[in-house]
Amino acid sequence: DAKTTQPPSMDCAEGRAANLPCNHSTISGNEYVYWYRQIHSQGPQYIIHGLKNNETNEMASLIITEDRKSSTLILPHATLRDTAVYYCIVRVASNDYKLSFGAGTTVTVRA
Amino acid sequence: AAGVIQSPRHLIKEKRETATLKCYPIPRHDTVYWYQQGPGQDPQFLISFYEKMQSDKGSIPDRFSAQQFSDYHSELNMSSLELGDSALYFCASSPRTGDYEQYFGPGTRLTVT
Repeated sequence: DAKTTQPPSMDCAEGRAANLPCNHSTISGNEYVYWYRQIHSQGPQYIIHGLKNNETNEMASLIITEDRKSSTLILPHATLRDTAVYYCIVRVASNDYKLSFGAGTTVTVRA
Repeated sequence: AAGVIQSPRHLIKEKRETATLKCYPIPRHDTVYWYQQGPGQDPQFLISFYEKMQSDKGSIPDRFSAQQFSDYHSELNMSSLELGDSALYFCASSPRTGDYEQYFGPGTRLTVT
């Protein structure tokens, strides 16, 4: 039961911003948007999450549309170390809820 | 900052053997999740524990069992291992407050021969 849709892959030039889109048209009112990434065979890494407001931390920015049906993760200055699979996941913010990893976006940052 | 610790990092077992994977959550995290990632696949949820009680269960084979102990560490026990059990096994933990984001360990790579 895929709740999110992401492009399978995208390239980005080193030093440029990377904008990763995600569609979640069936998101419920109590579901948050979480972003994780997985660098080859490492444990998934938490990036950022949000409910309806735009969020920013030291890693990235998250822009959520007003209707909450889509969002964009922004890596402001991509580096080669940002090459990874990025997962957009919608989930109720509760300990009772797992993360359901779907088909993420493979981001390749090129020098 | 302290992270999730998993041991062992690598494990090689033969078919029909048993394996035990251990997970030590971040301090003050009381919820533990286990995920399995087969070759070329995305991580899949197996099971979770909150305050030492099983809170959710995914596609975990009956041959697998898990528990969370009083110090909040968790163990995943796998018996009658099959070749298809070869995978990366990740443990994640989440805090008891906030928005319950999960933080993952480095994983245990299990190879069944």
